Amino acid sequence: DTGVSQNPRHKITKRGQNVTFRCDPISEHNRLYWYRQTLGQGPEFLTYFQNEAQLEKSRLLSDRFSAERPKGSFSTLEIQRTEQGDSAMYLCASSLGQAKGYTFGSGTRLTVV
Amino acid sequence: AQTVTQSQPEMSVQEAETVTLSCTYDTSESDYYLFWYKQPPSRQMILVIRQEAYKQQNATENRFSVNFQKAAKSFSLKISDSQLGDAAMYFCAYRTLTSGTYKYIFGTGTRLKVLA
Repeated sequence: DTGVSQNPRHKITKRGQNVTFRCDPISEHNRLYWYRQTLGQGPEFLTYFQNEAQLEKSRLLSDRFSAERPKGSFSTLEIQRTEQGDSAMYLCASSLGQAKGYTFGSGTRLTVV
Repeated sequence: AQTVTQSQPEMSVQEAETVTLSCTYDTSESDYYLFWYKQPPSRQMILVIRQEAYKQQNATENRFSVNFQKAAKSFSLKISDSQLGDAAMYFCAYRTLTSGTYKYIFGTGTRLKVLA
């Protein structure tokens, strides 16, 4: 069990570019979540996968955002036409059930310049 | 909609002393989970302790314990014998069980400083 892995750790991109982040959950965890955290705030929910099915999406997830989890393993989060307001820490978490809490990854810090 | 409020942006505690971090939440539901997470500087969030709302007994994990007051919708975290490694942001989180959503709702966090 190597924990939840997120890549890259840091990403600097120019406004208008597309970016993609990857999350590798703990292998036996069937639930995967994406959150966004801005400075001084708690994490805000973006989306949830159970196996390969995307079961919930936040209204924060505009049409520029898309997430996938092919084959119920790793997940990707893509942001198209990035804006400065997208600058944040993007956190991935996984869990085996609803009671035990999440295991978080270290996050990907996105800076849009 | 459920909300989670952490009214203490920052707290300080002397090493070896006890500190209590406050969390209140608003919900109309009866079944839910509550969590405290720790986020050390530049490191990943770690689950500290969790509480099932149907359990009256307060959860404890070594030096960490909670005071869960369901009627008052209060969920405070007590850290005993504080250590330098306890310095971090602490987030309170709520997870509903009844409305078909899977998300956690987090508070804005409390930064805990531990003084040597």
